[in-house]
Amino acid sequence: DGGITQSPKYLFRKEGQNVTLSCEQNLNHDAMYWYRQDPGQGLRLIYYSQIVNDFQKGDIAEGYSVSREKKESFPLTVTSAQKNPTAFYLCASSIISGGGGTDTQYFGPGTRLTVL
Amino acid sequence: GQQVMQIPQYQHVQEGEDFTTYCNSSTTLSNIQWYKQRPGGHPVFLIQLVKSGEVKKQKRLTFQFGEAKKNSSLHITATQTTDVGTYFCAAANAGGTSYGKLTFGQGTILTVHP
Repeated sequence: DGGITQSPKYLFRKEGQNVTLSCEQNLNHDAMYWYRQDPGQGLRLIYYSQIVNDFQKGDIAEGYSVSREKKESFPLTVTSAQKNPTAFYLCASSIISGGGGTDTQYFGPGTRLTVL
Repeated sequence: GQQVMQIPQYQHVQEGEDFTTYCNSSTTLSNIQWYKQRPGGHPVFLIQLVKSGEVKKQKRLTFQFGEAKKNSSLHITATQTTDVGTYFCAAANAGGTSYGKLTFGQGTILTVHP
């Protein structure tokens, strides 16, 4: 919400094609995250990045790839190796305060990907 | 990996009734956050609980963190139609090195009938 953009809102692709989802933030946040949301399964972490040029796999990274060449941008590529790519994809960002808690994550509006 | 169970999956209430969703972890948590997602929208942060036994209130919403830091609850008093949406808990594992990494519960979908 506020400062995180994802485009497009809806995306259709043919099976076997790679597709890249964009995520841009102007909040000057260090950390960025990609989640996948399926009905009844909540949000599952795909990849996350705490600093430019570095990222870590989340719980369901297989079939996905990311890059973090700029602080503001964290694109996600859904490859043809992802067996069930149709889902709602959410990007989020947060500061890294180093305090006792875990910093709030701010979510973008999401991209709904449908693979035909 | 860390698992966070959230119940119930669905809850239908009449406007004015109370609502509670529960979140449970098998491991001790560093902290827990709660998010709300309106239909067709994206998750929005509600609150974070850090201390054992902590209770926080936001108007009609009451959040609790268990004494053992393994469970949490969100209670809404006298629901309104504006409370409709999916409520998620999100947990950070105690002792973890993956800063900022949250594990989300499956969510509770709340519908409120006027």
